[in-house]
Amino acid sequence: GAVVSQHPSWVICKSGTSVKIECRSLDFQATTMFWYRQFPKQSLMLMATSNEGSKATYEQGVEKDKFLINHASLTLSTLTVTSAHPEDSSFYICSARVSRGANLRNEQFFGPGTRLTVL
Amino acid sequence: QKEVEQDPGPLSVPEGAIVSLNCTYSNSAFQYFMWYRQYSRKGPELLMYTYSSGNKEDGRFTAQVDKSSKYISLFIRDSQPSDSATYLCVLGGPGTASKLTFGTGTRLQVTL
Repeated sequence: GAVVSQHPSWVICKSGTSVKIECRSLDFQATTMFWYRQFPKQSLMLMATSNEGSKATYEQGVEKDKFLINHASLTLSTLTVTSAHPEDSSFYICSARVSRGANLRNEQFFGPGTRLTVL
Repeated sequence: QKEVEQDPGPLSVPEGAIVSLNCTYSNSAFQYFMWYRQYSRKGPELLMYTYSSGNKEDGRFTAQVDKSSKYISLFIRDSQPSDSATYLCVLGGPGTASKLTFGTGTRLQVTL
């Protein structure tokens, strides 16, 4: 249980184009999903918290107009990198927190990641 | 001072060795202590989840939490080459809706 998928697993795009990354919780409902980016040999950096049915909460320094997040259902969140540039090249990882009513725990289950390369 | 300190390694051990991975933290408000394993170019995988001081064992893995010293450990017994990965200590709290705080990760290499 608690499986999170991401699609695509890797993408190469030209500078100036937009890229959409999907994050799905396959066997559970997730009212909250998170988007991280990870540079080589560094730990994960939280970009934004995505709550189903409401606007995402972005971390300081993350441009909300550049990284559009939509959490349209309890099992799907999307991250769109708009007008991508080479400096946006990174490993993007989503996670989902399991919601079990009063037994909400704090751990997050991570997707396999999406490697974005912007040429 | 970082909220969570973790030696980045790399740590190289022979197959069959006992591995000890550690983190220290400064914020006593942390309530949840997790260890994730991350293989290269993959997402982190949850290994252990604890919320109290003491030991928790799962197969070859033992997680240890000492809240008084703000020190957490992960022990791996009978290490295997397949254990070669980066191990992240991850802390949460206060509250179950809080963000997670990540250690930098320790890269482990288990050699034949």
